[in-house]
Amino acid sequence: DTAVSQTPKYLVTQMGNDKSIKCEQNLGHDTMYWYKQDSKKFLKIMFSYNNKELIINETVPNRFSPKSPDKAHLNLHINSLELGDSAVYFCASSQDTSGRFQTQYFGPGTRLLVL
Amino acid sequence: SQQGEEDPQALSIQEGENATMNCSYKTSINNLQWYRQNSGRGLVHLILIRSNEREKHSGRLRVTLDTSKKSSSLLITASRAADTASYFCAMDSNYQLIWGAGTKLIIKP
Repeated sequence: DTAVSQTPKYLVTQMGNDKSIKCEQNLGHDTMYWYKQDSKKFLKIMFSYNNKELIINETVPNRFSPKSPDKAHLNLHINSLELGDSAVYFCASSQDTSGRFQTQYFGPGTRLLVL
Repeated sequence: SQQGEEDPQALSIQEGENATMNCSYKTSINNLQWYRQNSGRGLVHLILIRSNEREKHSGRLRVTLDTSKKSSSLLITASRAADTASYFCAMDSNYQLIWGAGTKLIIKP
């Protein structure tokens, strides 16, 4: 069984479009994350949710809006896509943020290409 | 934000040799973790070392942590072709993981 799953795996779209990426975890974790990995492989955290509440919101354009309908799901909606949004987006989860030694479990990634 | 640095950026060795990767950071940490990323895949947790530990082993992996130098190293012994991947360190600081830039390891058969 897949622990952290993302859909779609690949997303090719035109500049200016709006798209969503979905993430689900079946680990019973309280905390979920969205990361962006650029072409140089730098991994940058974008958002973190704990029990459906936003706890980390790094400097990300407000075209990116996360939504957590429940603690097992964290979706990422992107408005008015730009060329620079092309990257691999990873969803991850961890048990919670109240304790230390948090191991994160990653999804397989969504490869977004904006043309 | 990126506050961890890893070196080398890339490492190519022969199968059977040992591979050593280093990670340095700037903030105080609670623990340091190493992750592995195969090409086109998500990251997988390898090992976690707490700030009060100096060395930890897991199979062919050996991790050291020197908090006075704010650095850690990952040693993979007797490397195999399947070890080819990118390796990332991540520092647990204030309940966030701060990531290094990664070391790309290539094991030549």
